[in-house]
Amino acid sequence: QPVLTQSPSASASLGASVKLTCTLSSGHRSYAIAWHQQQPEKGPRYLMKLNSDGSHTKGDGIPDRFSGSSSGTERYLTISSLQSEDEADYYCQTWVTGTHVVFGGGTKLTVL
Amino acid sequence: EVQLLESGGGLVQPGGSLRLSCAASGFTFSNYAMSWVRQAPGKGLEWVSAISGSGGSTYLADSVKGRFTISRDNSKNTLYLQMNSLRAEDTALYYCAKDQDSSDWTYFDYWGQGTLVTVSS
Repeated sequence: QPVLTQSPSASASLGASVKLTCTLSSGHRSYAIAWHQQQPEKGPRYLMKLNSDGSHTKGDGIPDRFSGSSSGTERYLTISSLQSEDEADYYCQTWVTGTHVVFGGGTKLTVL
Repeated sequence: EVQLLESGGGLVQPGGSLRLSCAASGFTFSNYAMSWVRQAPGKGLEWVSAISGSGGSTYLADSVKGRFTISRDNSKNTLYLQMNSLRAEDTALYYCAKDQDSSDWTYFDYWGQGTLVTVSS
């Protein structure tokens, strides 16, 4: 079963860019992941599915400021032109189809 | 517009029972697997249970196996989670999540707003 590792926190200034990282356990470098955003006091929101080759499929209404990329076992979420509403917890998720679903521990993003 | 509306949460004593419901709209409910994901206060997301679109396949996490049951009524577009023998560690916000796949659980493309379950004497 894959394991996902995320840094507990990150911060960046309003208007800047930030790159969040989700690391897959070794042996799982071919796995796709999904990124989800959870704003304070709200339910999670699907951002995108991110494949091992860096291609990604975004959810409905997700702005172009959100993009994904991949390198080896690392999966990235880049948010450009940071806005105050981007301050949220970001979770990565992966799966073994029909068997397991796994979440990373989440990264709390602070917009300065 | 896809909507998932959870209900049924509340305060229950240890050992008690609750049944959560998730009313779905805006998509063909029977075509998609569904899951329950919970979040303890101040903690991250934990996948709890899943069911295929037909209802023929289900999954329960080890932490709830033998106590919780997942089911769905495709004629009512509703997902359920029957929770028995509740423990303090089951205290959490419970989210209903729509899978992007029909028969197997993969990743979630829509989420509800959650219903709070508090287990305490």
